[in-house]
Amino acid sequence: AQSVTQLDSQVPVFEEAPVELRCNYSSSVSVYLFWYVQYPNQGLQLLLKYLSGSTLVKGINGFEAEFNKSQTSFHLRKPSVHISDTAEYFCAVRARNFNKFYFGSGTKLNVKP
Amino acid sequence: DAGVTQSPTHLIKTRGQHVTLRCSPISGHKSVSWYQQVLGQGPQFIFQYYEKEERGRGNFPDRFSARQFPNYSSELNVNALLLGDSALYLCASSPEGGGAYGYTFGSGTRLTVV
Repeated sequence: AQSVTQLDSQVPVFEEAPVELRCNYSSSVSVYLFWYVQYPNQGLQLLLKYLSGSTLVKGINGFEAEFNKSQTSFHLRKPSVHISDTAEYFCAVRARNFNKFYFGSGTKLNVKP
Repeated sequence: DAGVTQSPTHLIKTRGQHVTLRCSPISGHKSVSWYQQVLGQGPQFIFQYYEKEERGRGNFPDRFSARQFPNYSSELNVNALLLGDSALYLCASSPEGGGAYGYTFGSGTRLTVV
């Protein structure tokens, strides 16, 4: 089985500041890695995913994430956040050839003016 | 193209009742998965169906069941509702049952059990 740990439950940050949301995972098999965003009262929207190849993955809305196999991490970054980035962010893993996502408990990003 | 459609968006049920939640996948997608998201937690896998067959089941009691229809839409049924079943139920669709294909999530059904 796999598991995901999101190290920060809440991250407050000022507008236009950089942000990093941390994610560590555990798995005995190769996995795909994902970041999803959830706005209040909405479903999950895919930000980016790592399948293979380059360890730096770029996603929508200016977000990027770096896969670090040795540290089993997949941290999400944005160089300059906006008020509209205020939302909850979920890191997820899925074993290759399997159909089940394992999600972390989420990180609430609160961007302040 | 329409995204993943879930209905109803909200509902309130009483303990012991039964509920049916519905999901229509993106056109052309043959796989549907169901997730339960309890307030303050990440989503947890309940079921996956591909080509009308169950492909996976999470650690949920037998009160939870699902099925997929020939048009690839799906229903999630929960019997004998408990207060702890209150959650956002998310449906996700994908072209196939596994691999690197992306999964698109619907906006969910908010179930409140009183």
